[in-house]
Amino acid sequence: GAVVSQHPSRVICKSGTSVKIECRSLDFQATTMFWYRQFPKKSLMLMATSNEGSKATYEQGVEKDKFLINHASLTLSTLTVTSAHPEDSSFYICSARDRVNSPLHFGNGTRLTVT
Amino acid sequence: AQTVTQSQPEMSVQEAETVTLSCTYDTSENNYYLFWYKQPPSRQMILVIRQEAYKQQNATENRFSVNFQKAAKSFSLKISDSQLGDTAMYFCAFMKYSGGGADGLTFGKGTHLIIQP
Repeated sequence: GAVVSQHPSRVICKSGTSVKIECRSLDFQATTMFWYRQFPKKSLMLMATSNEGSKATYEQGVEKDKFLINHASLTLSTLTVTSAHPEDSSFYICSARDRVNSPLHFGNGTRLTVT
Repeated sequence: AQTVTQSQPEMSVQEAETVTLSCTYDTSENNYYLFWYKQPPSRQMILVIRQEAYKQQNATENRFSVNFQKAAKSFSLKISDSQLGDTAMYFCAFMKYSGGGADGLTFGKGTHLIIQP
């Protein structure tokens, strides 16, 4: 089955530093990947849609300059949290589909803690 | 825009019982998909079941089945013979049909299901 790999699973960084999270589709090509954010005991909120070879589409209220998304190949999308602050601490999950209108396959998520 | 509502923040049942999780949604789309995802403590999102809106027949996957009422915009999940491993957060999700595949999912707030031994 389609597998989405996300790395790292956990990261702790100091306030003001940047953190990069990678999302890879292992056995399929994904022209579109989706980045979600989940607060403790809350639902998943779509942050942005990552499009291969073009700019990401951000949801309302998501800062483009803080959450940089790069989708340079059909199997890799990266989310960089720039100048991280404690309020950016959260669980970030990426997802992709292996064909049109198929369910989304999710990575295992990244727990980001900013101290 | 679509909205998904799960009105039960938490539910608890005894092992082997049947439990139904409710979900309603609002959309102006005619072609769409509905999903139930399970998120255990590991936080991995696992697809439980999927329903295409154009299909009248309710989807079933082993012990999991849905009651899809398109006119009422209702999509409930029934878990039969519940097991301890069913303990998890359950999210109802909506996806509009897209020929380009560029649409993500809209999630409800989730229901925390606890199966008691």
